[in-house]
Amino acid sequence: RKEVEQDPGPFNVPEGATVAFNCTYSNSASQSFFWYRQDCRKEPKLLMSVYSSGNEDGRFTAQLNRASQYISLLIRDSKLSDSATYLCVVKQDFGNEKLTFGTGTRLTIIP
Amino acid sequence: GAVVSQHPSWVICKSGTSVKIECRSLDFQATTMFWYRQFPKQSLMLMATSNEGSKATYEQGVEKDKFLINHASLTLSTLTVTSAHPEDSSFYICSASRHRDRAYEQYFGPGTRLTVT
Repeated sequence: RKEVEQDPGPFNVPEGATVAFNCTYSNSASQSFFWYRQDCRKEPKLLMSVYSSGNEDGRFTAQLNRASQYISLLIRDSKLSDSATYLCVVKQDFGNEKLTFGTGTRLTIIP
Repeated sequence: GAVVSQHPSWVICKSGTSVKIECRSLDFQATTMFWYRQFPKQSLMLMATSNEGSKATYEQGVEKDKFLINHASLTLSTLTVTSAHPEDSSFYICSASRHRDRAYEQYFGPGTRLTVT
């Protein structure tokens, strides 16, 4: 089983729609969680950290369910510029900053 | 803030030569930097963790004598691919760790695309 699993997609959704991505992780000791976005042939960019209470940043909402070892990302009112690959990323514990990346979910927003 | 640069952005070299890639944190100090490799249509794979002033920690399966890492200052880490071969052709990305709010967040450099002919 992969440490971090994501549906690879692709997700093709119309502009303005709401889209949700899910991610599961296998290590119950994982402490920190992030969503990154990666554009084609570019480096990953941090989209948002994911906190236990859930958090929102503009059109983006992230949720964490520790009991189910599940992380989600919701994008509302999607824009063409949201087209990218979204990476679910997990950090194991406070003493180790090593990140484990999911394979990513490819999103294309259609005009 | 939290800008990380890499140099060069792309490089083509002949098989058997060595290539050095630099990673710099421009507006913050990073005691820890990371080196990743990404093959087409695959996710990032951590190669090694670079700690300022000490030896790097390599992931299983990564040859430390082939991928030399030096982290001489709080803003600079270098990766040298020695005796490069075509199978080393990949996208190499570094990241630097910064403590912000409730977590350490990693910020990535723009990557270096290496092609070995």
